[in-house]
Amino acid sequence: GQNIDQPTEMTATEGAIVQINCTYQTSGFNGLFWYQQHAGEAPTFLSYNVLDGLEEKGRFSSFLSRSKGYSYLLLKELQMKDSASYLCAVRGDTDKLIFGTGTRLQVFP
Amino acid sequence: NAGVTQTPKFQVLKTGQSMTLQCAQDMNHEYMSWYRQDPGMGLRLIHYSVGAGITDQGEVPNGYNVSRSTTEDFPLRLLSAAPSQTSVYFCATAEGTNDSPLHFGNGTRLTVT
Repeated sequence: GQNIDQPTEMTATEGAIVQINCTYQTSGFNGLFWYQQHAGEAPTFLSYNVLDGLEEKGRFSSFLSRSKGYSYLLLKELQMKDSASYLCAVRGDTDKLIFGTGTRLQVFP
Repeated sequence: NAGVTQTPKFQVLKTGQSMTLQCAQDMNHEYMSWYRQDPGMGLRLIHYSVGAGITDQGEVPNGYNVSRSTTEDFPLRLLSAAPSQTSVYFCATAEGTNDSPLHFGNGTRLTVT
């Protein structure tokens, strides 16, 4: 079977750094994606990792360890607009992209 | 360039009624898929297609049919709606390579009473 785990909710303060973890168990591995979803809107793509290590994109970075089945999304210099759900998704050995249940992040002033 | 267009945005059905959710894309993407999103359950894959004429089941296919007669369109049919199908439905497309991210439509909010 396939299983993707993320914390349900997190809170943080404006200007701080937050790390959202994702662990996965899948049949095969062909990449891990992070998406952002604001309430009432569609998910939008943030990052993609297929090799071990850190990918940086501005204030957002994503890390992957394939041997541990683990990824995290790092958000720096948090802004109020970063309040959203963050979805981890894994492509296994099929064409399917399977999502975790998402982490709801609330940023407080 | 409209991207991924879903219609309708909102729909209310009575139990037992049928309907089709439309999804059209103008990005020439080979891969198209349907997800449903429920509170606490995340996005769950219903059906997907890797190209015209090819469809396959996802995690939760029961109660839904799809077809892919053209590259652009991927309709989702509910033959006999049930209250358990109350959800937000997203159509998502991708170029078809492993590193291609999904592009989502704006969603259809369906209520079955």
